[in-house]
Amino acid sequence: DGGITQSPKYLFRKEGQNVTLSCEQNLNHDAMYWYRQDPGQGLRLIYYSQIVNDFQKGDIAEGYSVSREKKESFPLTVTSAQKNPTAFYLCASREDSGANVLTFGAGSRLTVL
Amino acid sequence: AQTVTQSQPEMSVQEAETVTLSCTYDTSESDYYLFWYKQPPSRQMILVIRQEAYKQQNATENRFSVNFQKAAKSFSLKISDSQLGDAAMYFCAYRAFFYSGGSNYKLTFGKGTLLTVNP
Repeated sequence: DGGITQSPKYLFRKEGQNVTLSCEQNLNHDAMYWYRQDPGQGLRLIYYSQIVNDFQKGDIAEGYSVSREKKESFPLTVTSAQKNPTAFYLCASREDSGANVLTFGAGSRLTVL
Repeated sequence: AQTVTQSQPEMSVQEAETVTLSCTYDTSESDYYLFWYKQPPSRQMILVIRQEAYKQQNATENRFSVNFQKAAKSFSLKISDSQLGDAAMYFCAYRAFFYSGGSNYKLTFGKGTLLTVNP
């Protein structure tokens, strides 16, 4: 079945450490997105990529970095510069036609100790 | 900038009853898409229903239907014959219709409404 796989599901990090969240899709979608979810805040866009080797900052990109070397993969690195990294992170990819619906992964929960 | 407002942080409904979740949005565009996503306790985001603004007919998907009022910029979700499996966080989302450098494919989400279904 086609879908999006995020790993790890749960991740703990000490302050000052960088951590990378994985996102892989087999839907053959060009565009991919990273959202952050906090209680009472809805979903906020961190980064998005329309095509391989290209990506743009979203609304809350500070303290995060991404790469898009392969169509299937869009990893997110949470750097030590991110002041409040504890959150739930959702990766999504977008249909290339029609309403361009987003399909989401199951998410990764990052906790900074 | 587009904004999406869900004024009901929490709602509850009895099993088999009907409930309506509210959503309003602000935009200067005339063409756009609106979505309702469901996030159950598993936290997997699932598309419930979508509406194209240029279509006057309200979208329907089985027990889920919307009341789209374009002039009022309102997009409410009605769940009929509520089931225990409908318990989830529901998010309303907006996307501009046209393509301009890719950024307009961005979804803007409301803060969500937590729906509880009582047996």
